Amino acid sequence: DAKTTQPTSMDCAEGRAANLPCNHSTISGNEYVYWYRQIHSQGPQYIIHGLKNNETNEMASLIITEDRKSSTLILPHATLRDTAVYYCIVRAPGLQGAQKLVFGQGTRLTINP
Amino acid sequence: EPEVTQTPSHQVTQMGQEVILRCVPISNHLYFYWYRQILGQKVEFLVSFYNNEISEKSEIFDDQFSVERPDGSNFTLKIRSTKLEDSAMYFCASRVDRSGNTIYFGEGSWLTVV
Repeated sequence: DAKTTQPTSMDCAEGRAANLPCNHSTISGNEYVYWYRQIHSQGPQYIIHGLKNNETNEMASLIITEDRKSSTLILPHATLRDTAVYYCIVRAPGLQGAQKLVFGQGTRLTINP
Repeated sequence: EPEVTQTPSHQVTQMGQEVILRCVPISNHLYFYWYRQILGQKVEFLVSFYNNEISEKSEIFDDQFSVERPDGSNFTLKIRSTKLEDSAMYFCASRVDRSGNTIYFGEGSWLTVV
């Protein structure tokens, strides 16, 4: 699986959009970009994933650059409950084997009142 | 929304004792995982399980660990003789099938070895 690079920490004001960047310059053509978050030692929570098109769901938006070497997770109106560690993970689709997720250190996002 | 459930939420055990952590994956899921997270460290993969056998395991998953799906709903992680360094949060996870991209995690079982 391709390696990802994320900032160690970020701050954002409550109510503003939080934009979390991720670099994955060695991503392969069939690898998806996944975002998970972990709120204070709870289980990792799935947020969103995408291959090359931008994606949006009820939690967030995912913007993937045209060359797929980087992406940005956007939380449109951050709340205090969005304070968490956010993980960007790239992984090939689960067509062969169990295809585990490999977690890095992630970005510690703090939402300030 | 379906959930992965884990029990116990917290267990304290003496060094050398056997521990069994239990998980109920999402009902139609076929791939199962255990991960662990030592306090302040990364979430680490331990093992994946499919079709009643281990499909992949990490270096951490040595002979003191075992997994089992004893019936149609439970998935267990056994640590035979616990060590102090086994103190961690253990997460169970599941995925629907080969085409399912998303892995869903439980809330974890916090194991303290004293």
